[in-house]
Amino acid sequence: DAGVIQSPRHEVTEMGQEVTLRCKPISGHDYLFWYRQTMMRGLELLIYFNNNVPIDDSGMPEDRFSAKMPNASFSTLKIQPSEPRDSAVYFCASSSPDRGGEQYFGPGTRLTVT
Amino acid sequence: AQSVSQHNHHVILSEAASLELGCNYSYGGTVNLFWYVQYPGQHLQLLLKYFSGDPLVKGIKGFEAEFIKSKFSFNLRKPSVQWSDTAEYFCAVNAISGNKLVFGAGTILRVKS
Repeated sequence: DAGVIQSPRHEVTEMGQEVTLRCKPISGHDYLFWYRQTMMRGLELLIYFNNNVPIDDSGMPEDRFSAKMPNASFSTLKIQPSEPRDSAVYFCASSSPDRGGEQYFGPGTRLTVT
Repeated sequence: AQSVSQHNHHVILSEAASLELGCNYSYGGTVNLFWYVQYPGQHLQLLLKYFSGDPLVKGIKGFEAEFIKSKFSFNLRKPSVQWSDTAEYFCAVNAISGNKLVFGAGTILRVKS
């Protein structure tokens, strides 16, 4: 299994631009999680999906952030417009109910907004 | 609401020293417990997990953790650390009724060679 796949691995963009981060979960996993990690705030859960349906988006910082999961093998996290304070590493993770909550993390996308 | 508390944010040790990282959680029901490790510039990887049975759990790279239910604790230990153990360590809790993990704030371990 290739594990959780994220793209791009690095993204540098200018303030005001739209940014789209992508994630492919492990096949057969029906939970998908988006996290953000910064030095100041640590690891934060932004949103998670079960069977492609958003279950809890209370961690999404503001309306500039949106996430979708159009099918079981693909999810996007979009920031529009981006701001310098959005600079962070964004991780995607997936899990299945029979794993007792164990999550498998992707390599992350390092986003820099200038 | 569930919460996870990690006692130390930064720990500095010399090689061969023993390690113990504290983790306490607040949740009255049945839980699954995890320790994840994040090496510099990398993603979180599972170090060990506890679901049930023997409360002393052994993980990869010589790490172990002990679940003490009466203390709501799941402390991570290693008898002799190596320079390559330099990383950030996260304790996490999953309430059996859900699939979300609640993470602690993390402990940054630096091992001096």
